Amino acid sequence: ETGVTQTPRHLVMGMTNKKSLKCEQHLGHNAMYWYKQSAKKPLELMFVYSLEERVENNSVPSRFSPECPNSSHLFLHLHTLQPEDSALYLCASRLKLDSYNEQFFGPGTRLTVL
Amino acid sequence: AQTVTQSQPEMSVQEAETVTLSCTYDTSESDYYLFWYKQPPSRQMILVIRQEAYKQQNATENRFSVNFQKAAKSFSLKISDSQLGDAAMYFCAYRGFSGQFYFGTGTSLTVIP
Repeated sequence: ETGVTQTPRHLVMGMTNKKSLKCEQHLGHNAMYWYKQSAKKPLELMFVYSLEERVENNSVPSRFSPECPNSSHLFLHLHTLQPEDSALYLCASRLKLDSYNEQFFGPGTRLTVL
Repeated sequence: AQTVTQSQPEMSVQEAETVTLSCTYDTSESDYYLFWYKQPPSRQMILVIRQEAYKQQNATENRFSVNFQKAAKSFSLKISDSQLGDAAMYFCAYRGFSGQFYFGTGTSLTVIP
């Protein structure tokens, strides 16, 4: 257990559904990340938050909407997803955005879009 | 943008033997950090070892060590005395001045009893 939790661990949704992924860390970190992990591909960075402000958005489709209400919580709101969005979604946190510390990862949410 | 390449999608090693996972990267920066992460079947990714580019000495953590060749932009991971619990996906990652992490595609390691 690295201090980063994600819920739910598994999610199956239809293309017209709206769902949210939740990430929580109690490590006192200021930076939080959403990654998409697909088979045989490098981790794709989706969003970066530092002190609750979004600092990076790597051209992610608008059907993914992040929310960071405080430095301990990060959400990823999902709406009208496509089957190709099926993947493992990983949340990570780091002490500070500009530090050289490693990232701490959550266990991920396995998302299947039907 | 920096790229990280792991050319071995799958590797296997006999229990108690030694295995080396390869990683190369492309960068024009002189100061950066390199990481190896392990992702067991339960999926939570954890840090295995970290190397600062300005340090010539290779990092070691118990049975895990790296062979860092800065000029060749190579960062391989050696696992000695392999154990069943070492079976996992291993990801090489680069972190440079921008702060962003770049990951390789991973190497799936199987440990044969």
